[in-house]
Amino acid sequence: NAGVTQTPKFQVLKTGQSMTLQCAQDMNHEYMSWYRQDPGMGLRLIHYSVGAGITDQGEVPNGYNVSRSTTEDFPLRLLSAAPSQTSVYFCASRQRGLALNTQYFGPGTRLTVL
Amino acid sequence: GQQLNQSPQSMFIQEGEDVSMNCTSSSIFNTWLWYKQDPGEGPVLLIALYKAGELTSNGRLTAQFGITRKDSFLNISASIPSDVGIYFCAGQGAFSGGGADGLTFGKGTHLIIQP
Repeated sequence: NAGVTQTPKFQVLKTGQSMTLQCAQDMNHEYMSWYRQDPGMGLRLIHYSVGAGITDQGEVPNGYNVSRSTTEDFPLRLLSAAPSQTSVYFCASRQRGLALNTQYFGPGTRLTVL
Repeated sequence: GQQLNQSPQSMFIQEGEDVSMNCTSSSIFNTWLWYKQDPGEGPVLLIALYKAGELTSNGRLTAQFGITRKDSFLNISASIPSDVGIYFCAGQGAFSGGGADGLTFGKGTHLIIQP
């Protein structure tokens, strides 16, 4: 049981490049979320999913796309990276119907956009 | 949207001292969570609070859900070097509609322990 895994751990992009941040969980959790963390800030919700085939926008969705074709995977896509997207990205998951103390975060992806 | 004010922003303390930090909001929350984040890692849940007035301990950590449901505090007793990190509060709003969990995070308290 690996929990929530994220790849890559580090990434450097040039402005305008695209890439996909991967997130996977092996706990059969229905809820998955993507957050970004900037210096001196708390975590801000980008997109979330309450189940396979269902996604919705969070607080800061612009510049990001998501899809949820399986329960296990929730990739985050940057279509045209911008320096403002330099951040640390965290994926989280939990089982619907259970308390919030069952939410788990991944180790994060540190993204730099030049 | 809902906002949480977490204070202090940072704390410089001596090993063995007690630590206290808090979060306040202008909105009511149904749940308060406290997380710790170590450098290079994701947040790890320390304590979850579900009822107004609830006082919960986890080892040297104690957290309380404020009676007004608009605040929460976290205390750490007899700090040790491994307590170093960033502590975040998070609240689930009474009328939250955004996100799978409707969580709002504070900006964090950076705890630094001086030898």
